[in-house]
Amino acid sequence: KAGVTQTPRYLIKTRGQQVTLSCSPISGHRSVSWYQQTPGQGLQFLFEYFSETQRNKGNFPGRFSGRQFSNSRSEMNVSTLELGDSALYLCASSLFGREAEAFFGQGTRLTVV
Amino acid sequence: AQSVTQLDSHVSVSEGTPVLLRCNYSSSYSPSLFWYVQHPNKGLQLLLKYTSAATLVKGINGFEAEFKKSETSFHLTKPSAHMSDAAEYFCVVSDNAGGTSYGKLTFGQGTILTVHP
Repeated sequence: KAGVTQTPRYLIKTRGQQVTLSCSPISGHRSVSWYQQTPGQGLQFLFEYFSETQRNKGNFPGRFSGRQFSNSRSEMNVSTLELGDSALYLCASSLFGREAEAFFGQGTRLTVV
Repeated sequence: AQSVTQLDSHVSVSEGTPVLLRCNYSSSYSPSLFWYVQHPNKGLQLLLKYTSAATLVKGINGFEAEFKKSETSFHLTKPSAHMSDAAEYFCVVSDNAGGTSYGKLTFGQGTILTVHP
């Protein structure tokens, strides 16, 4: 069974640009969540999608957005990049329910210069 | 609101000695609790989870954790550390806030475990 796949693995962008990250969940998983990991703030919840609907959103500015497609694949977009957006972005997929284990991808390392 | 506090940012042990990583949580509802491990440049891997069944939970690689509601703690232990255990460990809570927060995990700040030969 293939795991959670995130592409690309590494990205370098310039301030002011926008970026799109992709996440393919484990087959059969309909819930996809995104997290930002930085040395200073640790792991912070961005948003969660289930059946193409955003069900939860973390405390991030509107420059951070996402969507989920009918095949459960998800993308997140960051517009008007800032230096502080440099981070490891992790995607997790799971079956529905609070007891469901979240399976994480390897992450996308975004560097903003 | 839910929160997690990992009481030690760094823990250093010798190979073959016990490991104790401490975690306290705060939750308005009956929580699910997890421990995840992250090796350098790798994603997060689930070690174990508590979901209101047995309070002593056994996980992979010899790790276990005990849920203590009265102390709001979920400490991670291992009887004998291996060099391969060196990594960063995260205590995580998933709240059941009326069924709307299933996908939202709240992470502790992490504990870096160092294992000396």
